[in-house]
Amino acid sequence: GAVVSQHPSRVICKSGTSVKIECRSLDFQATTMFWYRQFPKQSLMLMATSNEGSKATYEQGVEKDKFLINHASLTLSTLTVTSAHPEDSSFYICSARPGLSSYEQYFGPGTRLTVT
Amino acid sequence: GENVEQHPSTLSVQEGDSAVIKCTYSDSASNYFPWYKQELGKRPQLIIDIRSNVGEKKDQRIAVTLNKTAKHFSLHITETQPEDSAVYFCAASKQRMTTDSWGKLQFGAGTQVVVTP
Repeated sequence: GAVVSQHPSRVICKSGTSVKIECRSLDFQATTMFWYRQFPKQSLMLMATSNEGSKATYEQGVEKDKFLINHASLTLSTLTVTSAHPEDSSFYICSARPGLSSYEQYFGPGTRLTVT
Repeated sequence: GENVEQHPSTLSVQEGDSAVIKCTYSDSASNYFPWYKQELGKRPQLIIDIRSNVGEKKDQRIAVTLNKTAKHFSLHITETQPEDSAVYFCAASKQRMTTDSWGKLQFGAGTQVVVTP
């Protein structure tokens, strides 16, 4: 149980285009989902916290108009990278938290974004 | 906000030896401390976690200790094997039962562990 999927696993896009990444909790309802970015040989940096049915909370320094997050249902959150640039190339990972009583977060497999 | 420091950044051990990774945190309100193992290009995998109401937890070859007073916690891997080679991350968060706005994980910088046969 507690499986989180992400789609796509890899994506290459041209500079200036937008890319949407989906994060789904497959066997549980996730009241909260988190989006992380990880550059090579670095740690996971939290970008935003997404609660179902409400606006995402962004971490300091993360542009909310560039990284659009939608948590439309209890099993799906999407991250859209708008007007992507080469510096946005990174490994994007989501995690999902089943509810208030769960301390643990379950991570998706990640999406490798390359902007050319 | 919370700040988590992790040491060492790299750790080379001989197969069969023990490995110890140490982390410190800054926010005394943090009460949940998970450890993750991440292989290249893969998702982080939870290997063990500890809550602030206990000082030590063990699961086979892996153990974690927590010193709330000093605000540090450590991962201990005994009898290391080549398959233990990976990057290990510690993390800290504040968990509360009353609101969804808690639960954000602050990660340490990571430790590259290499176990040589």
